[in-house]
Amino acid sequence: DAMVIQNPRYQVTQFGKPVTLSCSQTLNHNVMYWYQQKSSQAPKLLFHYYDKDFNNEADTPDNFQSRRPNTSFCFLDIRSPGLGDAAMYLCATSRGPGQPSTEAFFGQGTRLTVV
Amino acid sequence: QKEVEQDPGPLSVPEGAIVSLNCTYSNSAFQYFMWYRQYSRKGPELLMYTYSSGNKEDGRFTAQVDKSSKYISLFIRDSQPSDSATYLCAMDATSGGSYIPTFGRGTSLIVHP
Repeated sequence: DAMVIQNPRYQVTQFGKPVTLSCSQTLNHNVMYWYQQKSSQAPKLLFHYYDKDFNNEADTPDNFQSRRPNTSFCFLDIRSPGLGDAAMYLCATSRGPGQPSTEAFFGQGTRLTVV
Repeated sequence: QKEVEQDPGPLSVPEGAIVSLNCTYSNSAFQYFMWYRQYSRKGPELLMYTYSSGNKEDGRFTAQVDKSSKYISLFIRDSQPSDSATYLCAMDATSGGSYIPTFGRGTSLIVHP
């Protein structure tokens, strides 16, 4: 049974057209992460939530926003996608603070193409 | 200098070979060391993890951590074509109370029959 579900699996968007990627989880984990992974590169953390407490990485562009309306769902909004934003976007979850992310669970990812 | 360094490969080996995958790191605060496997066009899945220094074995897989050298390894015995994937190391550091994994770029492994 899928525990972290990302939709869609593949997304094609036009340059500059806002796009939203979604993630849902059935694990009831407190922490949710969004990573950007470009080809042959390490997943790069964009932000993470502990419950509704939002933590933005210092080098995450303002073009990227996130929402977490409840424990189960998290969204990644790209306000004006550029060609350089084409990547795989990974959502992950883990238990709450004080718990190492050794049990981080990843979704299958959304591959974003910008045309 | 990146916090976690990992050779991207590709590493190509014949079936049955012993595979050694490695990462180095610079942050001495890392305490948990993880290996993820990522098949093409899929999300990473946790393979195994180790706390602090030492070895951990799980079937054909052995993880080693040497904190004094800031060096971790994953060994795969009797490698199989189904082991062909990208292997990412990851390490945990605290951030605002949440542990945040920092990833290496992954090593692409190809096991040919």
